[in-house]
This record gives sequence, structure tokens and C-alpha cells, in this order.
Amino acid sequence: DAKTTQPNSMESNEEEPVHLPCNHSTISGTDYIHWYRQLPSQGPEYVIHGLTSNVNNRMASLAIAEDRKSSTLILHRATLRDAAVYYCIPRRTGANSKLTFGKGITLSVRP
Amino acid sequence: DAGVIQSPRHEVTEMGQEVTLRCKPISGHNSLFWYRQTMMRGLELLIYFNNNVPIDDSGMPEDRFSAKMPNASFSTLKIQPSEPRDSAVYFCASSLLAGFNEKLFFGSGTQLSVL
Repeated sequence: DAKTTQPNSMESNEEEPVHLPCNHSTISGTDYIHWYRQLPSQGPEYVIHGLTSNVNNRMASLAIAEDRKSSTLILHRATLRDAAVYYCIPRRTGANSKLTFGKGITLSVRP
Repeated sequence: DAGVIQSPRHEVTEMGQEVTLRCKPISGHNSLFWYRQTMMRGLELLIYFNNNVPIDDSGMPEDRFSAKMPNASFSTLKIQPSEPRDSAVYFCASSLLAGFNEKLFFGSGTQLSVL
């Protein structure tokens, strides 16, 4: 599995955009980049994933560097409910691939 | 859709006792995963099943742990005998066929305390 490097924590103000970085320099060409988040006292939940192109959904946007060695999860307007641990996970495509969580980034949102 | 259902939500037991955690995946999902979360080690994948067959159990800590999936709608994770170091939150997750970028849906977890 490709290794990831994320800051331990970040802070944001409510209603401001948040950019959560992730380095995955050992990612292979067929690994998709997945993001999950874990709210306090809950199980993780899927946020977004992508391969090369930037991706958008109702929760967030994912910006992937051209060399794919890093990516950024963008929350366009942070809310208090977005306070969580965010995990960046390269995941191999194909049968029987696993989802391996690292330490993640703890995002705090100030009112 | 009720989501992934885990039971019990909390379990307190004494060292040496058998513990059984239960999981009902989302109907129609082919893959089921068991994870364990502690402050020290974070989220660890213990085992996962595709179509009720165990695919990778390399994360199971030792022989005291066993997991079964007798049918598509039920799985158990058993610890026998339990030890204090097994105290953790155990999550079950399910997805459509694993390995094809399908989203994992997690249950609310079972908080296990072994005294």
C-alpha cells in the first residue's frame, strides 16, 4: 500500500473554505485516492475519490496534482459539523483491494 | 435503508470470557469488513469477506480472534478468551464488491471493554 503523509491537525473558521492536504508520493498508477472522514463517536464515512481529474460532489471537491503525488480535499464552506478526522487513502483498483487507514488529519472548526 | 447494523453497542466483560460481536451488512452488499480502532493503533483492518468467503485475515491479531460469515446478511467476530488489550471500538463495514472503488459503509461500532 502507498504511504501517505498528512498534517496531524488543522483549524478553520466556520463558513470559510478548508484545504486538507495529503502527500502520497509512492502511489501507483492504478491507485485511486479515497477520502473518508470520521465524526466524533461515529464510524468513518465516505467523502470522495478520484484517479487523475479533479472531482466534485455535494460534500467536497478533490484536487489531484498532475504527478498524482499529492491531493487536496476542499470543503468549500466549513460548518461545525465538518469537525472530524479526515483520512486520505490510496486504494489499489482490482479484485480484493483493501482500504487501509492512516492517522488522518483532525479538523477543528471555530464558530 | 437501515445501514450497517452492529450489536451490541457496548460490551463490558471480564478477562478470559468469550465475546461475540455481530454485524448485519447492507442488503445487497457483497463485501464485509471488520476493523478495530484504538488510540494507539488507529483504525486497523482485521479481516474482510467477499461473497461470504474470507479473503484476507492477515490483520487478525492472533488465534483468539475468529470471524465468520455464514450468510450474506450476518457476520460475527469472536474473541476467546478476551484480554484487556482487546479493549477497543470494533467497526463493521460493507460495500458492493470490494476492489472496484465501491464505497464502504460503516456501522456505529461496538465499544468493547475487557476488565
